[in-house]
Amino acid sequence: QKEVEQNSGPLSVPEGAIASLNCTYSDRGSQSFFWYRQYSGKSPELIMSIYSNGDKEDGRFTAQLNKASQYVSLLIRDSQPSDSATYLCAVNDPNFGNEKLTFGTGTRLTIIP
Amino acid sequence: DTAVSQTPKYLVTQMGNDKSIKCEQNLGHDTMYWYKQDSKKFLKIMFSYNNKELIINETVPNRFSPKSPDKAHLNLHINSLELGDSAVYFCASSVSGTSGGGKFFGPGTRLTVL
Repeated sequence: QKEVEQNSGPLSVPEGAIASLNCTYSDRGSQSFFWYRQYSGKSPELIMSIYSNGDKEDGRFTAQLNKASQYVSLLIRDSQPSDSATYLCAVNDPNFGNEKLTFGTGTRLTIIP
Repeated sequence: DTAVSQTPKYLVTQMGNDKSIKCEQNLGHDTMYWYKQDSKKFLKIMFSYNNKELIINETVPNRFSPKSPDKAHLNLHINSLELGDSAVYFCASSVSGTSGGGKFFGPGTRLTVL
């Protein structure tokens, strides 16, 4: 069974610090990796996608991918209270291209002012 | 200007009833999905349609029947509702192919079965 594992948290980070969120996945054939942010009572919102090993930066967000270790992470620099949310890692099922994503259970992040 | 819209936002009903949820996207995407998020926040795909054709049908009871009249709409009909069907149902859309994958989610429909 394909799995995506995340630490459920809660993860508490002081405002202005770096928040580090981690995700591991079981299917070595997966090629596409996504991070979603979900505020309480709202729908998931795509914030990052990464397809190649290494780092990908977008503003205060950096996604890191290591396919050999089957590990993907999200770093949030200069954390703001508005970053407090649940972060969902999603990984594609290679049998379905990018049409089928398996989601982790999410890490709840709290930024402490 | 809502990209993916769902109706209704809340649905409270009795066990055994039949209900429908509607979804529309105006992003021009060719693939639409239904996801279920349970009380533990686990988000799981139920169905996927590409250009009105069913391409993913997860292990979902036959009581759930999706219908896609065109590629901008994907509805979900649920027969004989059970207590365990209580969850938030999200519609989503995306562009198919290797450049796609990023799903745009609707606001969700919170279904409560009493």
